[in-house]
This record gives sequence, structure tokens and C-alpha cells, in this order.
Amino acid sequence: QVQLVQSGAELKKPGSSVKVSCKASGGTFSSYAISWVRQAPGQGLEWMGGIIPIFGPANYAQNFQGRVTITADESTSTAYMELSSLRSEDTAFYYCASTGIAAGYRYFDYWGQGTLVTVSS
Amino acid sequence: DIVMTQSPDSLPVSLGERATITCKSSQSVLYSSNNENYLAWYQQKPGQPPKLLIYWASTRESGVPDRFSGSGSGTDFTLTISSLQAEDVAVYYCQQYYTTPITFGQGTRLDIK
Repeated sequence: QVQLVQSGAELKKPGSSVKVSCKASGGTFSSYAISWVRQAPGQGLEWMGGIIPIFGPANYAQNFQGRVTITADESTSTAYMELSSLRSEDTAFYYCASTGIAAGYRYFDYWGQGTLVTVSS
Repeated sequence: DIVMTQSPDSLPVSLGERATITCKSSQSVLYSSNNENYLAWYQQKPGQPPKLLIYWASTRESGVPDRFSGSGSGTDFTLTISSLQAEDVAVYYCQQYYTTPITFGQGTRLDIK
């Protein structure tokens, strides 16, 4: 059983960056894919990218390429998502999600609680 | 990118009646080597992360009531709730994991008529 616990809400100014963490417990962290999914208020789900720590480089959605960096620290079983050049449209809940097994990018049966990032001057 | 299109956007259904949501992918999500459809369904209630209901198009997640079922293959899929309960009011999403980028449908809002 995998548990994903995310860092707390953030209030950021336009043009700045935010880094959200996702600490995993259970399963073998290095071998399963952790994805980041964004949900703007009242809107749908959008996959930003993901990482399989044992394989190294992250995989990014084109919409976020160049602005998002996803990393993982195997020593602490923690994944990170950093989004730069923030604008008001980036105000959203950011979720980490995983299937908790070594099977690449799949469906998500484990989700973090979500981190609200608010971008406002 | 594979585009996922759900219909309808909003669905009012009477308690105890059947609810049917469809999801169409812009290309097949059936992987020929294992004959599996890389398609999942989620339920999301306000203030909560999505909850996995169905994966491999028709496999029910552990603990999900059997009134929820998934069907379809290739590019056309259906989520059916056989007898709507009050607690089923939520937004439902389909998702393909055949390839990255992973993509979701726009969501279907299900409520009580």
C-alpha cells in the first residue's frame, strides 16, 4: 500500500517559482512512476509529467516543457515538481499520483492530497 | 497526443436509474501484444483527489461497488452505473495510459434528476 503526502499550500507572485514535494511511503519508490497532475479551479485534469527514479530523466507534457522540472530523491522517497515563470493561470491544485508498482506510466490508484498553488500579486 | 472526448458533459439521472458515460479516444488505446485497452475511469468528488474506479477498460478497482462497470475496446469506451445512488454524484473522467503524454477526458458531471 502506497501513501503519498504532499507539501502545504503556497501563495506566489507572478514570475516566481514554486516547488511542491510528494513524500512516498510503501512500495519500492525507485521503481514506480510518480506523475504530477494539475487541476485548475472548476476545471479538468491535466498531466504535467512524471518520473521513474530508477530510470532518471523525467518525461514532460509539451504544454509544460521548459517551465516544469520534476525530480526525485531516492534517499528520502520524495518527488518534487518545480514550476517556474508563474502566471495567474497556474493557480490550481497540483497532485502527485502513482500506481505504486514497477510498470511504467499507468492508471493512478494512489494520489496525494493535493497542493493548492495560488498565483497572485 | 491522444485526445479523449467524453459525452455528455453533464448527466442528470434519477436515483435507481442507469447512468452511462462514453469516452472516445482519437486513436486506439488497444495494445495488440497483450490485447489490453490502456483506459481507466475515475470519480472525483468536491475537495477530493480523483478515485480510481476502473482500469484496463473493464477491471474494477478493489472496493468499488459492482454497480460500476466499464466496457469497450479500441477507441470507444463506456462507464455504466447500473443503479444510481446518491453518493455517486461526482465528476467522472476517463484517462488513457497507452502512451505519454497521459491524457484525460474533459469530465462528465453526474447529478440527481
